[in-house]
Amino acid sequence: DGGITQSPKYLFRKEGQNVTLSCEQNLNHDAMYWYRQDPGQGLRLIYYSQIVNDFQKGDIAEGYSVSREKKESFPLTVTSAQKNPTAFYLCASKQPSGPYNEQFFGPGTRLTVL
Amino acid sequence: GESVGLHLPTLSVQEGDNSIINCAYSNSASDYFIWYKQESGKGPQFIIDIRSNMDKRQGQRVTVLLNKTVKHLSLQIAATQPGDSAVYFCAEMDAGGTSYGKLTFGQGTILTVHP
Repeated sequence: DGGITQSPKYLFRKEGQNVTLSCEQNLNHDAMYWYRQDPGQGLRLIYYSQIVNDFQKGDIAEGYSVSREKKESFPLTVTSAQKNPTAFYLCASKQPSGPYNEQFFGPGTRLTVL
Repeated sequence: GESVGLHLPTLSVQEGDNSIINCAYSNSASDYFIWYKQESGKGPQFIIDIRSNMDKRQGQRVTVLLNKTVKHLSLQIAATQPGDSAVYFCAEMDAGGTSYGKLTFGQGTILTVHP
């Protein structure tokens, strides 16, 4: 089956620790995205990547880092510099055939800082 | 900065009624719009999209209307069912801009369908 997978579904982190969230897609999509969602709010863009080995900051990149070494994978690291990391994190990817295509979302990872 | 917002944060309807969810956008350069449905604890699911060269687009039980003059977008759901209960987001994009595929999301509307 084609799709986007995120792991783990739930993640707990102690303050001061870095943690990496996984995002994998087998849709052959060039573009991938990371969003953060807080309770009762919309999605805010953290980072996005249009192609392998390239990525750009979104609206709330501070305290986060990403890599795009493979087309299928776009991991997100939440660093200790992120002041309020507890949130629902969503990864998405997009078809390569132009801008007028929807983003497909993964199931999300809920991160809680203890 | 530019943003997308919703007029109504919550909407309650009876099963079988039609639902209308509204969205206002402020970026006049936006030329592509998407409606997503998000169920609790899950990622958003694509419902329907529309490009700015259209005023209306229909899908299965859903219709999106775009009024570029007043920068307004709406999602109509016909014969609403309990399974339609979710949060609905509109998102907009300036496809001709430099931020490839970057979507700006609205706050969301909670739709509750009562049996």
